[in-house]
Amino acid sequence: AQKVTQAQTEISVVEKEDVTLDCVYETRDTTYYLFWYKQPPSGELVFLIRRNSFDEQNEISGRYSWNFQKSTSSFNFTITASQVVDSAVYFCALSGTRYSSASKIIFGSGTRLSIRP
Amino acid sequence: AAGVIQSPRHLIKEKRETATLKCYPIPRHDTVYWYQQGPGQDPQFLISFYEKMQSDKGSIPDRFSAQQFSDYHSELNMSSLELGDSALYFCASSPGTSGGTQETQYFGPGTRLLVL
Repeated sequence: AQKVTQAQTEISVVEKEDVTLDCVYETRDTTYYLFWYKQPPSGELVFLIRRNSFDEQNEISGRYSWNFQKSTSSFNFTITASQVVDSAVYFCALSGTRYSSASKIIFGSGTRLSIRP
Repeated sequence: AAGVIQSPRHLIKEKRETATLKCYPIPRHDTVYWYQQGPGQDPQFLISFYEKMQSDKGSIPDRFSAQQFSDYHSELNMSSLELGDSALYFCASSPGTSGGTQETQYFGPGTRLLVL
């Protein structure tokens, strides 16, 4: 069975602080995909990143960075120099390959991030 | 760039009524997924379609049905609505690809359904 765990329910930091959102996943698939989505108060789900299980390279995109470690089944997300506009619920998610029954996305329970001015 | 379109954006229904939600995928995307997100919950997979055929089924109630049409848009039909059906319903689409790789699912803005 596939499972995504986001142990941090809520995080609150002061603007300009760095913050890391943790994500741990479980899967028996050898090929799988990991995602992060952002859900601002307006409700839409915004795609941030996709990683496949064969690519453990860390990625940086502006103030965002992601650390994928297969050895610990973790896919953590760090925001550097946080801003008020980063306030949202962040979902870590997992899926299998397209042509398997596991192509659906399994979401974690989400981490509500609040950035205080 | 074109995004996934969902209509209506908001819907209010009474218990036992029916509702139809529509989803228009990004052009050239052949796969559509439906998710339900209850208040304070994470999105839960309902059903998906690939090339107009149902490809996977999740925790979709028997009162719900869905289909994908020849133009790839999809409709989620909900009957005998219950209070617990109040939720945000997302449609997502992904492009066709070969080799079995999983493409990114791009989500629409959602339809907020309120059942009174």
